Amino acid sequence: AQKITQTQPGMFVQEKEAVTLDCTYDTSDPSYGLFWYKQPSSGEMIFLIYQGSYDQQNATEGRYSLNFQKARKSANLVISASQLGDSAMYFCAMREPQGAQKLVFGQGTRLTINP
Amino acid sequence: NAGVMQNPRHLVRRRGQEARLRCSPMKGHSHVYWYRQLPEEGLKFMVYLQKENIIDESGMPKERFSAEFPKEGPSILRIQQVVRGDSAAYFCASSTQVFYGYTFGSGTRLTVV
Repeated sequence: AQKITQTQPGMFVQEKEAVTLDCTYDTSDPSYGLFWYKQPSSGEMIFLIYQGSYDQQNATEGRYSLNFQKARKSANLVISASQLGDSAMYFCAMREPQGAQKLVFGQGTRLTINP
Repeated sequence: NAGVMQNPRHLVRRRGQEARLRCSPMKGHSHVYWYRQLPEEGLKFMVYLQKENIIDESGMPKERFSAEFPKEGPSILRIQQVVRGDSAAYFCASSTQVFYGYTFGSGTRLTVV
């Protein structure tokens, strides 16, 4: 069974609009962490934002925020005021609860920002 | 303060050759992780190492693949007798002992011809 599911293979958004990238996860461990990474066409993996399962507030980092709905097991990434440079692959990942500091990644969403 | 350094960035090998991928963690990071990314897929965990120790190799293929992180020098991911299916991007990441996530390197793109 998929531990991390990203249901949107691709998304097209107009510049300056907000965009939400979906991520749902599956775990029975009460302690876990959720991450979002950006992978531009150059290939590197760029950390965006982190949410711990016990964090009371939704995480925010500049234009990025994480809509964390624990009961629904969803951790959607919201990008406000999108820019052309936001065009990239976006990966949701979860810290493997039972394992030793490893992450499980979703399949990714390819975001394209149109001018 | 340099980030995670991986080299080479691109590596081309013929079938049957050996591939050696190097990773130098961030200064102060003692934990190293290797991930593989097949085309159009997410990253898949391969192995987690500390200095001179393999902590978790549950994602490593049983044959031809090995990893080490010696007391001195970079971590090495070694693939013997490469096959076309080994073509992928291989990412290294490092962290401190207290885990809040990784810093990834830029990856090595391996192409087997």
